[in-house]
Amino acid sequence: GIQVEQSPPDLILQEGANSTLRCNFSDSVNNLQWFHQNPWGQLINLFYIPSGTKQNGRLSATTVATERYSLLYISSSQTTDSGVYFCAVGFNFGNEKLTFGTGTRLTIIP
Amino acid sequence: EADIYQTPRYLVIGTGKKITLECSQTMGHDKMYWYQQDPGMELHLIHYSYGVNSTEKGDLSSESTVSRIRTEHFPLTLESARPSHTSQYLCASSEGASREQFFGPGTRLTVL
Repeated sequence: GIQVEQSPPDLILQEGANSTLRCNFSDSVNNLQWFHQNPWGQLINLFYIPSGTKQNGRLSATTVATERYSLLYISSSQTTDSGVYFCAVGFNFGNEKLTFGTGTRLTIIP
Repeated sequence: EADIYQTPRYLVIGTGKKITLECSQTMGHDKMYWYQQDPGMELHLIHYSYGVNSTEKGDLSSESTVSRIRTEHFPLTLESARPSHTSQYLCASSEGASREQFFGPGTRLTVL
């Protein structure tokens, strides 16, 4: 099956810093989503981005489908950004199953 | 954005009990999914449904079963819970034209 690798696995930053999270995948995809899992376990949708670039406030994402990677940018980090960021991809037409990466654990220090 | 509800949020039970985890969505999405997540790990798909009376097993083998009698409802059942079933279970849904999945708050299950 498709492989999804995320880097770095852990990231500790000072409040106000910028960060880049990377997601590599092993095959062509027609679905790519970025999620933030908060300390209570809830998965928050950040971006649905199988290709191209999107921005939402301090967050932006870029997916280069032909090179099989996606990047999530977080600018001016806040303590509320702490948590685990997951990339998930899907490539099956008709059922849209998602395969998740192992996540990047982000800790923002005040 | 979808509204997806899961109950209970937390459940602690003894070995051998039968349990049902509830998942409901109010957006009329045709596709629904159950994922299992161990602490600090990635999510794995255990069941999915294309629509009413349609259910399939996911990539991770699970002893649980599911049913889809109504579009909005996708319950997961464990006939006899064991400590190895201790995990978080997350339900998701998506609408046919869009592949974006939306997740419920999850159920944290602990089997003693």
